[in-house]
Amino acid sequence: DAGVIQSPRHEVTEMGQEVTLRCKPISGHNSLFWYRQTMMRGLELLIYFNNNVPIDDSGMPEDRFSAKMPNASFSTLKIQPSEPRDSAVYFCASSFRAGEGTQYFGPGTRLLVL
Amino acid sequence: AQSVTQLDSHVSVSEGTPVLLRCNYSSSYSPSLFWYVQHPNKGLQLLLKYTSAATLVKGINGFEAEFKKSETSFHLTKPSAHMSDAAEYFCVVSDQGGKLIFGQGTELSVKP
Repeated sequence: DAGVIQSPRHEVTEMGQEVTLRCKPISGHNSLFWYRQTMMRGLELLIYFNNNVPIDDSGMPEDRFSAKMPNASFSTLKIQPSEPRDSAVYFCASSFRAGEGTQYFGPGTRLLVL
Repeated sequence: AQSVTQLDSHVSVSEGTPVLLRCNYSSSYSPSLFWYVQHPNKGLQLLLKYTSAATLVKGINGFEAEFKKSETSFHLTKPSAHMSDAAEYFCVVSDQGGKLIFGQGTELSVKP
């Protein structure tokens, strides 16, 4: 298996622009997680899905952030409009089932908002 | 609520010497505990996992961790450090819904 796939790996954009991050979970995994990692705040869970349904989005910073999972093999995290404080590494992870615990992480998308 | 505390933000060892990365947890029930490793500019990789079976858990690359309920600890050890072990290590506890709660991380440096 190719593991969790994220794209793009790097993104540089200007403040106010829309940013879309993409994730393909491991085939057969039913749970998908979006994290943000910064030096100041460490790893933060933004949102997670079970069977394509958002379960907990309490970590989403504000309305500028939105996430979708239209099918079992694809998810997006969108920031509109982007701000410099959104600069971070965004990770997607998947697990076989909710509560199973072990999560498999993608390589991350490094976002820089100028 | 579940939480983890990594007692050292940075640990430095010489190649060939033992590694000890300390972690204490807090949980209202029998927890699932993990150690993940993150190499520079990479994603996180699972090192090992404890889920109430054997208290001594063996992981990849020669790492192991011991669950000690009386001390609420889950320290990560390795008998002999290798240069390739230099990375950031995260102690993690899982809540009952499968959400992972991460510690702040310990950066391990390995000197030649």
